[in-house]
Amino acid sequence: GENVEQHPSTLSVQEGDSAVIKCTYSDSASNYFPWYKQELGKRPQLIIDIRSNVGEKKDQRIAVTLNKTAKHFSLHITETQPEDSAVYFCAASSLNDYKLSFGAGTTVTVRA
Amino acid sequence: IAGITQAPTSQILAAGRRMTLRCTQDMRHNAMYWYRQDLGLGLRLIHYSNTAGTTGKGEVPDGYSVSRANTDDFPLTLASAVPSQTSVYFCASTPDRGNAEAFFGQGTRLTVV
Repeated sequence: GENVEQHPSTLSVQEGDSAVIKCTYSDSASNYFPWYKQELGKRPQLIIDIRSNVGEKKDQRIAVTLNKTAKHFSLHITETQPEDSAVYFCAASSLNDYKLSFGAGTTVTVRA
Repeated sequence: IAGITQAPTSQILAAGRRMTLRCTQDMRHNAMYWYRQDLGLGLRLIHYSNTAGTTGKGEVPDGYSVSRANTDDFPLTLASAVPSQTSVYFCASTPDRGNAEAFFGQGTRLTVV
């Protein structure tokens, strides 16, 4: 099955700086790569996703890049704000079984 | 009901007891999932169902069972709870199989003592 690794596990940034989270996956048949944000005590919610026919996608201050050859994808948050503090999860879904496999999560803290 | 709902929101359970976590969605999604969330381990898939009447095992299925009698409901049963099953459990659904946005329930915090 799919194995998704996520780094770093924790990330502390100064407000206004950028944050980057990286994930790798193992199944070359994976074609859907979503990112979820989970605030303390809340449920995970989708913030952005990308499919394998696209190399980059941007939505305001967040962007995701995908390198299918290297089997890795990254989340970029620019101009970080205190409300960006949360746990972020990457995930991958394979055409082989369509199940969503998640990374272990990154706890992002934005310092004021 | 709006979206996907879990019950109970929290529970303290004696080891050895049987417990069913409930999950209901009103979005007519075909696929449903149960994940457990543990610190440092992310979200791990327990069981899933691609459509009513079918179920499959995820990454950590031992000690858990599920059923999918209809589209809306996907209960998770712990036949004989053990302390290692202490976790936060999330139910989720997608319109079809996993290649689309997953909607999560609010979670069930289960403590087995």
